Amino acid sequence: KAGVTQTPRYLIKTRGQQVTLSCSPISGHRSVSWYQQTPGQGLQFLFEYFSETQRNKGNFPGRFSGRQFSNSRSEMNVSTLELGDSALYLCASSFASGVQETQYFGPGTRLLVL
Amino acid sequence: AQSVTQPDIHITVSEGASLELRCNYSYGATPYLFWYVQSPGQGLQLLLKYFSGDTLVQGIKGFEAEFKRSQSSFNLRKPSVHWSDAAEYFCAVSGIKAAGNKLTFGGGTRVLVKP
Repeated sequence: KAGVTQTPRYLIKTRGQQVTLSCSPISGHRSVSWYQQTPGQGLQFLFEYFSETQRNKGNFPGRFSGRQFSNSRSEMNVSTLELGDSALYLCASSFASGVQETQYFGPGTRLLVL
Repeated sequence: AQSVTQPDIHITVSEGASLELRCNYSYGATPYLFWYVQSPGQGLQLLLKYFSGDTLVQGIKGFEAEFKRSQSSFNLRKPSVHWSDAAEYFCAVSGIKAAGNKLTFGGGTRVLVKP
C-alpha cells in the first residue's frame, strides 16, 4: 500500500505570496492532519480534517487554512506569506479520527519564504 | 494542557552500545504515547506506540519503550545501536477524545552514532 504523498516536495516563495500544499493520504484513510516543523518551535499541530470537515485546529493565524476533498485528499493554504512561515510542512493520515489512531506521516513539503 | 519533554537535545553513542532516550509527559488522563524517528530530509516514521496493557512495548528496528505511569515517562531503548540509527527521535502524546488526532511532540533528541 502506498504511503502518504505530499506535493510539491520543495517550494520557494516570496513574502506576501500565497501557497497551496497538497497531501494524498494512505488509501482508505479518512483523516488528514497537518503539522509545521521549524528549528525554533519544533513540531506544531496545524489542523485535522476528517470526512471533509475540520475537526481540530491548532494555534495558528487565520492565514493558514485547509480543506479536504471527498477522496480524502487534503490541501493546505497559506496566504500572505511571512519569512517565519519557512518550515517543513508535514501531512499525516490515519484511518479515523481519535486519540488511539496511529498517524502515518508523509515526507513533507519544505517551504522557503524569501 | 498536555506537554512532552525530551531532556536530551543531543546524544552521542558508539556503534554497538546501548541507547536510551528519555521522554516525560504531562497529561491529566490516560496518555496515548508514540515514538517517531526522522532521518535528515525525511518525514516521521513510527517506531512504536503505547495505548494500554503491557507497559513494555516492542517496536520496529529493535527498539522498545517502557511506560511508567508513576514517573510520567516513556523512555525509548535499543540494546545495540547501528550506524543507521543516527537520526532525530520524537516522543509524542495524543490528546483527549475531543481533540481528535492532535499529537503533541517533544522537542526531539538528535542521536549521533560514532563508529
